[in-house]
Parts: sequence; C-alpha cells; structure tokens
Amino acid sequence: QVQLVESGGGVVQPGRSLRLSCAASGFAFNNYAMHWIRQAPGKGLEWVAVLSYDGVNEYYADSVKGRFTISRDKSKNTLYLQMNSLRAEDTAVYYCAKGAGRDAYNPLDFWGQGTLVTVSS
Amino acid sequence: EIVMTQSPATLSVSPGERATLSCRASQSVSSNLAWYQQESGQAPRLLIYGASTRATGIPARFSGSGSGTEFILTISSLQSEDSAVYYCQQYNNWPPVFGQGTRLEIK
Repeated sequence: QVQLVESGGGVVQPGRSLRLSCAASGFAFNNYAMHWIRQAPGKGLEWVAVLSYDGVNEYYADSVKGRFTISRDKSKNTLYLQMNSLRAEDTAVYYCAKGAGRDAYNPLDFWGQGTLVTVSS
Repeated sequence: EIVMTQSPATLSVSPGERATLSCRASQSVSSNLAWYQQESGQAPRLLIYGASTRATGIPARFSGSGSGTEFILTISSLQSEDSAVYYCQQYNNWPPVFGQGTRLEIK
C-alpha cells in the first residue's frame, strides 16, 4: 500500500534553514508528481510546492518562492523540501502528498501524516 | 489566482440526515475539482475528484456534483465518523488552491 512518511521537522530560529524529507513506498515513485502542502495551527490547507514526475518542472506558492526548494531522489524514493530564510509565518504542519498523475494538474490521492515545523526565537 | 469559497463555515446535522456542502470558484475550473476530508488530528484524505468521482474505498453516501464554478458535496445518511473538516481544491488552473474548509459537526 502507498505510504508517505515525513521527517525533519522541529523548532528553528527565524532566518535559519531546515530540510524536510518524505520517504515514499508502495507505488512507482518516478511516475508521479509530488507536492508539499502546509497547515498552520488551527488554519486551513495551503499548497506550497510541486515537482513533476521527472523532476524537471517545479512550482511554488508566492509565499515561499525564492526561499523554498523542492527536489526528489529517484534512487531513494524520497521527496525533499529545503526551507531557507524561515519566518514565523512558516510555522505549520507540512504534509507531502502524491499527485494522481505526472504533472501538477491532478488531485492529491495520498497524503503523509505530516511533520511540524515551528519557527521561533 | 482563483479563489475557492466554501459555505457554510460550520454545519451541524443529526445522524442519519443529509449534509450539503458548497464550493464556489471565482472562475471556471471545469470539472477539475476535488474534495478532501480531514478528521481531527489526521491528514486529509481524498474523497472526490473530477467533481463527482469517488476515490478508492470511499463509501457511496459521499457524492459530488457540479461543474464550472459551482460544486456540491453531499453526504447522505450521516454517521458519527463523518465529523470532520471538508476542503475543496481546484486543480484546473495555477496555483492549485484550496477552499477555507467547512466544519461538519454531528449533533
């Protein structure tokens, strides 16, 4: 069965960096787009970034563009989110999610359980 | 950017009754609309995609309808485990934004 397991969250000071990982199993990782979505405490879902199945096309929400980078390691079936210049407003649970197709224009058919990132001094 | 507006913000319905949740897009998204369920403390789960197709394993009491800018999620014969927040998301245009959610409470 499909499993997505996020890791790498924690408490970090404003301006510092953090890298999240998402280990995928149970499906052909190289055939699907992968997304990051976040949810601030008590708030709704905010889509963050997507990477196409081949790692060529990447897109970001305006709120993280230029600070976050999405990547994938096909040999490890792992998705990453490098987060730089972190701000208090980046505090959230970060979910990785599998797209139902190869590009960004598909629903998100499986989600991980999330990892909490807290940006605080 | 397309804006997705869900209504009502909160809905309280008795067990066995029907719940109707609405989602409106600020411009047409064709049928490229998904619904997700998020139970308390859990990750979201895909319920409906293509506006009306149930995802694998989703009970038949969940149904979706609509196209263009107006969409409906109907949950018939409500059960206690349906208590959750429900989100719509369009994936027709960039970026693939979510609505703000509807909290469904079971009386």
